[in-house]
Amino acid sequence: AQKVTQAQTEISVVEKEDVTLDCVYETRDTTYYLFWYKQPPSGELVFLIRRNSFDEQNEISGRYSWNFQKSTSSFNFTITASQVVDSAVYFCALVDFGGATNKLIFGTGTLLAVQP
Amino acid sequence: DGGITQSPKYLFRKEGQNVTLSCEQNLNHDAMYWYRQDPGQGLRLIYYSQIVNDFQKGDIAEGYSVSREKKESFPLTVTSAQKNPTAFYLCASTESRGTGGAGANVLTFGAGSRLTVL
Repeated sequence: AQKVTQAQTEISVVEKEDVTLDCVYETRDTTYYLFWYKQPPSGELVFLIRRNSFDEQNEISGRYSWNFQKSTSSFNFTITASQVVDSAVYFCALVDFGGATNKLIFGTGTLLAVQP
Repeated sequence: DGGITQSPKYLFRKEGQNVTLSCEQNLNHDAMYWYRQDPGQGLRLIYYSQIVNDFQKGDIAEGYSVSREKKESFPLTVTSAQKNPTAFYLCASTESRGTGGAGANVLTFGAGSRLTVL
């Protein structure tokens, strides 16, 4: 069965520290997509990145970087030089291609608190 | 600006009452979704619709109902049959076309509605 595990429930760091949010997934599909979304206190989820299973290149976007490793079924997210504005809940998600629905399966989220 | 509008933002309900949460989008998206968020449980899919006048149950559809009479609207009714309705409800939408279909596309989310049963 498809599953996404975010073992870190809460992380607290001090501003300017680097922090890595872990995501481990399970799927039998050879073709799948992985996502990261950010949920600030306002509530709506904001898209950060989408990665398909055939593209294992790491990605960097400003202070954000993602490490996709199929060998360990992980898609970890690193924030460099964290800022208070990074405080949010971060969700990792996997597209389930079983059946015709292509549904997103979310992890339970990691609450990141960045202290000034 | 295009986006998703959910209303009301906060809603209180007495036990035994049905309530309807509104979701409107002006993104011209085909697919719309309703998710429920509980502390420590992530987001769980309630219902989704990939086209007008058609919708399917998600993982936790019991006690909920939806309609999709217009492309831009996907209201969710929380019925009295839902035993534990207190939660944060999120509506989302996306295009249906593209590689992998709607699920592989990026979802746009509304700001959510928080329902509390008194």
